Amino acid sequence: AQSVTQPDIHITVSEGASLELRCNYSYGATPYLFWYVQSPGQGLQLLLKYFSGDTLVQGIKGFEAEFKRSQSSFNLRKPSVHWSDAAEYFCAARYFGNEKLTFGTGTRLTIIP
Amino acid sequence: EAEVAQSPRYKITEKSQAVAFWCDPISGHATLYWYRQILGQGPELLVQFQDESVVDDSQLPKDRFSAERLKGVDSTLKIQPAELGDSAMYLCASSATGGGLEKLFFGSGTQLSVL
Repeated sequence: AQSVTQPDIHITVSEGASLELRCNYSYGATPYLFWYVQSPGQGLQLLLKYFSGDTLVQGIKGFEAEFKRSQSSFNLRKPSVHWSDAAEYFCAARYFGNEKLTFGTGTRLTIIP
Repeated sequence: EAEVAQSPRYKITEKSQAVAFWCDPISGHATLYWYRQILGQGPELLVQFQDESVVDDSQLPKDRFSAERLKGVDSTLKIQPAELGDSAMYLCASSATGGGLEKLFFGSGTQLSVL
């Protein structure tokens, strides 16, 4: 069955520090991969997406993600976080031939001064 | 940037009552999705429309939930009767055609509390 795993429920980082949020996907074929961000009480906003090509993709708000086929991972990174990055982050996958977008359980990011 | 409109923003109801949520997707978007997001979890697809047709409703509890998109534009999601376990955020999203790398645009959601 298709699944997306985000192992970290909650991460706390200091403002200005680097960030990495983990995401692993299941299934044999490489899916279309996405990262969305959700601010409290709001809908989701797309940060970046990947299917093929360069395995390092750039997104909005200074985020990037790296696809690693050998690890079935698509981790999200940011070199220096800002207080406004505090939010819930969701990794999602859509598999070729199936339009359904499957979300992970999310990682809540807290930023401390 | 155009937005997906949802109403109401909040809804409080008692169990066994009927509730309805409305969604107006971005103009021209053929694909419309209803997701349910339980606190602490990721969104789960309830139903997907392509124009006025249901593409996927495999996760929709059809004994109490119904969804329609009669003219292929706006959509209504109904719950009757509501149960305590239905308390969640209900998110509507739309995309131009659906599938592939296409971006979903989400509304701000309807927060449902069933008492």
